[in-house]
Amino acid sequence: DAGVIQSPRHEVTEMGQEVTLRCKPISGHDYLFWYRQTMMRGLELLIYFNNNVPIDDSGMPEDRFSAKMPNASFSTLKIQPSEPRDSAVYFCASSLRSGRDTIYFGEGSWLTVV
Amino acid sequence: QKEVEQNSGPLSVPEGAIASLNCTYSDRGSQSFFWYRQYSGKSPELIMSIYSNGDKEDGRFTAQLNKASQYVSLLIRDSQPSDSATYLCAVNVRGSQGNLIFGKGTKLSVKP
Repeated sequence: DAGVIQSPRHEVTEMGQEVTLRCKPISGHDYLFWYRQTMMRGLELLIYFNNNVPIDDSGMPEDRFSAKMPNASFSTLKIQPSEPRDSAVYFCASSLRSGRDTIYFGEGSWLTVV
Repeated sequence: QKEVEQNSGPLSVPEGAIASLNCTYSDRGSQSFFWYRQYSGKSPELIMSIYSNGDKEDGRFTAQLNKASQYVSLLIRDSQPSDSATYLCAVNVRGSQGNLIFGKGTKLSVKP
């Protein structure tokens, strides 16, 4: 199994630019999660999908953030416009079902906004 | 606000000792509990899951759960330098099938 695949692995962008992070979950997994990790706030859930439908987006910090899952094998997290405080590691993760199932993380996308 | 609390550490133990990592959670209705290990610059990976009160052992790792006290712990026996990492406690939010709340993690350092 290839695991959760994220791209890009690293991105440095200027403030105000649009950033798009991409994720391919593990095949057959029904749940997809986007997390953000910083030293100050730890690992925070931004949004998660069940069968491609957004279930809980209460963690999305503001309207500059949006996420889509057009099909079972692809999701994007977009930040527009980006700000320096968005600098963080963004993890995509997936799980087979829910609750008791293991969540598998991708390698993360390291974002720096200057 | 549902919370998961961990001592940030760093926790330093000598090689061969037992490392004890602790976690408390605020949502009394939580049913599923997980310990993830995260090496520096890497993604979290699952070590243990526990759902019932008591102990669950897997090799050198033992997870302990006490729902009445809202407390979950991880013991690492015969600690090795390769165990040096940040350990994240995660709790499934009641009523939210997919949502895990993570603690900020405890950094463990095992000294040779």
